[in-house]
Amino acid sequence: DAKTTQPTSMDCAEGRAANLPCNHSTISGNEYVYWYRQIHSQGPQYIIHGLKNNETNEMASLIITEDRKSSTLILPHATLRDTAVYYCIVRVRGSNYKLTFGKGTLLTVNP
Amino acid sequence: GAGVSQSPRYKVAKRGQDVALRCDPISGHVSLFWYQQALGQGPEFLTYFQNEAQLDKSGLPSDRFFAERPEGSVSTLKIQRTQQEDSAVYLCASSSTKQGALPYEQYFGPGTRLTVT
Repeated sequence: DAKTTQPTSMDCAEGRAANLPCNHSTISGNEYVYWYRQIHSQGPQYIIHGLKNNETNEMASLIITEDRKSSTLILPHATLRDTAVYYCIVRVRGSNYKLTFGKGTLLTVNP
Repeated sequence: GAGVSQSPRYKVAKRGQDVALRCDPISGHVSLFWYQQALGQGPEFLTYFQNEAQLDKSGLPSDRFFAERPEGSVSTLKIQRTQQEDSAVYLCASSSTKQGALPYEQYFGPGTRLTVT
């Protein structure tokens, strides 16, 4: 699976949009981008995934650049409960079922 | 509608003791995973079950670690002769689809925090 690079930490004001970047410059054509988050003392939680089109669900939006070398997870209106470590993971469809986590980005939402 | 549950939530073991960690996946989920998470790090894969078959145990750090899922539902991770470096959070995850299926999400339990003294 392609390696990902994320900032170690970010801050965001409550109510504002949080934009979390991820670099995956070696991504292959059949690799998906996944985002998970881990709130303190809990297990990771799936947020969203995409291949090349932008995706949106009730939790977040995922913007993938046209060359697929980077992506941004957007939390449109961050709340204090969104404070967590966010992991960007790239994995091949089907052939590699396990998740390979990096260190992720610690997002702190401030009041 | 319960999620993945794990027990115990916290375990303190003296060095050299054996421990058993339990995972109850979401009912009907075919795939089950164990991960180990050291302090300040992301989770690392340990092993994978599809129903009762252990298809991948490449992440188990030593032969002191053993996992089973005899009836394709509940799973147990056993660590023999625990060492201080085994101190970590052990996470279990389950998924409704098999290896090779469409991209899917894994549902994680809250983890068991193991402290070896």
